[in-house]
Amino acid sequence: GAVVSQHPSWVICKSGTSVKIECRSLDFQATTMFWYRQFPKQSLMLMATSNEGSKATYEQGVEKDKFLINHASLTLSTLTVTSAHPEDSSFYICSARLAGAFTGELFFGEGSRLTVL
Amino acid sequence: AQRVTQPEKLLSVFKGAPVELKCNYSYSGSPELFWYVQYSRQRLQLLLRHISRESIKGFTADLNKGETSFHLKKPFAQEEDSAMYYCALTEGAQKLVFGQGTRLTINP
Repeated sequence: GAVVSQHPSWVICKSGTSVKIECRSLDFQATTMFWYRQFPKQSLMLMATSNEGSKATYEQGVEKDKFLINHASLTLSTLTVTSAHPEDSSFYICSARLAGAFTGELFFGEGSRLTVL
Repeated sequence: AQRVTQPEKLLSVFKGAPVELKCNYSYSGSPELFWYVQYSRQRLQLLLRHISRESIKGFTADLNKGETSFHLKKPFAQEEDSAMYYCALTEGAQKLVFGQGTRLTINP
């Protein structure tokens, strides 16, 4: 089956530093990837849609300068949390859609837990 | 804007009892509805989609456009069904929007 891998799965950083999270589709190509944020005991909140070779589309209320998304290839999207602050601590989850698929079925990564001290 | 509502955050039933997880949606177009499941310490995965009209692990869900609902049902719950269940909606190949999720606990 289609596998999506995130790295790192867990990261702790100091306030003010930047953190990059990678999302890779291991055995398929993904023209579209999605980044979600999940707070404890809450649902997944869509942050942005990442399209290969073009700018990401951010959801309302998500700061594009704060959460930089790059989708440079058909198998890799990165989320960089810039100048991280404690309120950015969260569980970040990426998902990917098979290239050419016209469906809402997504394959999810295992998530990355960010803790900002 | 599309919206998905799961009214129950927690649902607890006994093994062998029927299960129904509620999902209502609001969308003006022709949505595609899904149920995703997340077992303990595992990633989110697709359980079923309305267009397939299939039964997965004994679960079924029927899209009721009149009531704008997509409830998930299983006639006889099993302990391994304990998990977090999310109802989700999308249109075409666009973004997937999730409901708040329902934590299902099956008691032995």
